[in-house]
Amino acid sequence: NAGVTQTPKFQVLKTGQSMTLQCAQDMNHNSMYWYRQDPGMGLRLIYYSASEGTTDKGEVPNGYNVSRLNKREFSLRLESAAPSQTSVYFCASSDYGTVSYNEQFFGPGTRLTVL
Amino acid sequence: GNSVTQMEGPVTLSEEAFLTINCTYTATGYPSLFWYVQYPGEGLQLLLKATKADDKGSNKGFEATYRKETTSFHLEKGSVQVSDSAVYFCALSDQRKTSYDKVIFGPGTSLSVIP
Repeated sequence: NAGVTQTPKFQVLKTGQSMTLQCAQDMNHNSMYWYRQDPGMGLRLIYYSASEGTTDKGEVPNGYNVSRLNKREFSLRLESAAPSQTSVYFCASSDYGTVSYNEQFFGPGTRLTVL
Repeated sequence: GNSVTQMEGPVTLSEEAFLTINCTYTATGYPSLFWYVQYPGEGLQLLLKATKADDKGSNKGFEATYRKETTSFHLEKGSVQVSDSAVYFCALSDQRKTSYDKVIFGPGTSLSVIP
């Protein structure tokens, strides 16, 4: 049981390049999330997928797109990277709706630098 | 809207010292409250939680009590160890207002424990 896995762990891009961050979970969770973590700002939600087949914008969606490929996988795409997207990106999952409160399980993160 | 405020640190303590990290929240409903911990190079993991007023969450020697009258959820530990060095995030979630596990994170408090 690996929990939430993310690839890659590190990435350096040049401005304007594109890339996709991959995330997978093996806990059969229905909901998945992408956050970015910046110093002094905590975690901010980029996009989420409440259930397979649905995706919605979070707090800071501009410059990103997502795909919920199946129940296990949720990818984040940067179409044209900008230096402001330099950050640490975390994928998380939870089993929303099964209990009155839910723990989110996080992956190890992807550290992205855009030059 | 809902928000979380916590002392940002960094906090530096000697081993076996007493730890308090303050957290206060603003919420219109009845949120669940959490403390997450992030060890160096890793993703966040749930440390403890409380779902209603006067509940006490505890784990690994850490405790926090849900105080509705002061809208606080301060984290405490009686004797810290070097292995407690990490970033601690206070967070809240109110499922009744959203269709997913919307979690609001504080900015995080960095703790360093020196031998």
